[in-house]
Amino acid sequence: AQSVTQPDIHITVSEGASLELRCNYSYGATPYLFWYVQSPGQGLQLLLKYFSGDTLVQGIKGFEAEFKRSQSSFNLRKPSVHWSDAAEYFCAVGLGDSNYQLIWGAGTKLIIKP
Amino acid sequence: NAGVTQTPKFRILKIGQSMTLQCTQDMNHNYMYWYRQDPGMGLKLIYYSVGAGITDKGEVPNGYNVSRSTTEDFPLRLELAAPSQTSVYFCASSGTDNSPLHFGNGTRLTVT
Repeated sequence: AQSVTQPDIHITVSEGASLELRCNYSYGATPYLFWYVQSPGQGLQLLLKYFSGDTLVQGIKGFEAEFKRSQSSFNLRKPSVHWSDAAEYFCAVGLGDSNYQLIWGAGTKLIIKP
Repeated sequence: NAGVTQTPKFRILKIGQSMTLQCTQDMNHNYMYWYRQDPGMGLKLIYYSVGAGITDKGEVPNGYNVSRSTTEDFPLRLELAAPSQTSVYFCASSGTDNSPLHFGNGTRLTVT
């Protein structure tokens, strides 16, 4: 069965340090890939998406993600985190090109140490 | 610039009670969705709608009903609340069926 795994429930990072959030998926074909962020008290917001082409995708707020087909991964990175990046991050995989075909990971909560 | 608005933010229900979670959007989006988020789990799609008058079941529709009489509104109805429906509910909309989702802030529902 198709699935999305975010192995880290929580991650704590010092302000100014680099960040990598992991996302692995199980799907036979190349999926559409997304990262969404949920700031405290807010709804989810799209950070970036991968449909095809360049496997390194740039998003908003200085985030990027790299699609690695061989590892079935779509990890999210940021070179230097800010306190405002404290949020929950969700990876989603599209089995087709419609939103109703999305499968969501359980989320990773990012905690920023001052 | 309201976007997607959900009410209420919190609600406690007794088993067997009914309620409607309200969702409205002001972006003239045709597509609307209802998700639930359980602790430690990813979002699960309950129902979605591709336009006024059209709704379809998602992955976990049992125990819920929806209607879409206008483009703006997409209420979710719980008829006989059960403890298994304790969850955080998110409404979302999108302009097309694969454009970015715009989410509301969620409704935290507890059924005891």
